[in-house]
Amino acid sequence: SAVISQKPSRDICQRGTSLTIQCQVDSQVTMMFWYRQQPGQSLTLIATANQGSEATYESGFVIDKFPISRPNLTFSTLTVSNMSPEDSSIYLCSVVGQGNTIYFGEGSWLTVV
Amino acid sequence: GQQVMQIPQYQHVQEGEDFTTYCNSSTTLSNIQWYKQRPGGHPVFLIQLVKSGEVKKQKRLTFQFGEAKKNSSLHITATQTTDVGTYFCAGKNSGTYKYIFGTGTRLKVLA
Repeated sequence: SAVISQKPSRDICQRGTSLTIQCQVDSQVTMMFWYRQQPGQSLTLIATANQGSEATYESGFVIDKFPISRPNLTFSTLTVSNMSPEDSSIYLCSVVGQGNTIYFGEGSWLTVV
Repeated sequence: GQQVMQIPQYQHVQEGEDFTTYCNSSTTLSNIQWYKQRPGGHPVFLIQLVKSGEVKKQKRLTFQFGEAKKNSSLHITATQTTDVGTYFCAGKNSGTYKYIFGTGTRLKVLA
């Protein structure tokens, strides 16, 4: 199994500011995934982050709003830029482990006021 | 695009009653996974189904993958208060690494 640490775990942010979420994995992985879970909703894939290349974004998500870095095989960051209350969500980092199991970090719970 | 729907959206049961959630995909899946998310927590992997018609059991939980590999179900026998949470299915098409999560079923168990 993979152990994934996310920071911050929770934050309250002012409208118009940006916040960077960090994700650290205890083993080297090729692909890391960022999901968003809006209150009471399911998980939506934001982007896939591969080391050494630009992230691949899903429909409805753009790099200007959610820039992602992937400097090495164990670490990634997601920035939520120019936040509005609609960005209040849980942001989850994940990796795919043995047997295609998806392992999630504990999530970063953001509230934008 | 691919959609994965779950029904029901919510279910309240008395402790000891059975519970079933159904997952339906708009496309044929190569495999399907189930996750449980406790209130305030993150999704935790339960099981993966790969073969058409596959049935797997984990104690009181029974998972089934449809013959056409477009639907799946999770059945809990004799629910307990520890079963409270939201259950998500997640499906993957062949040729892609991406999983699409279902809409989820929120289970509440009344003691």
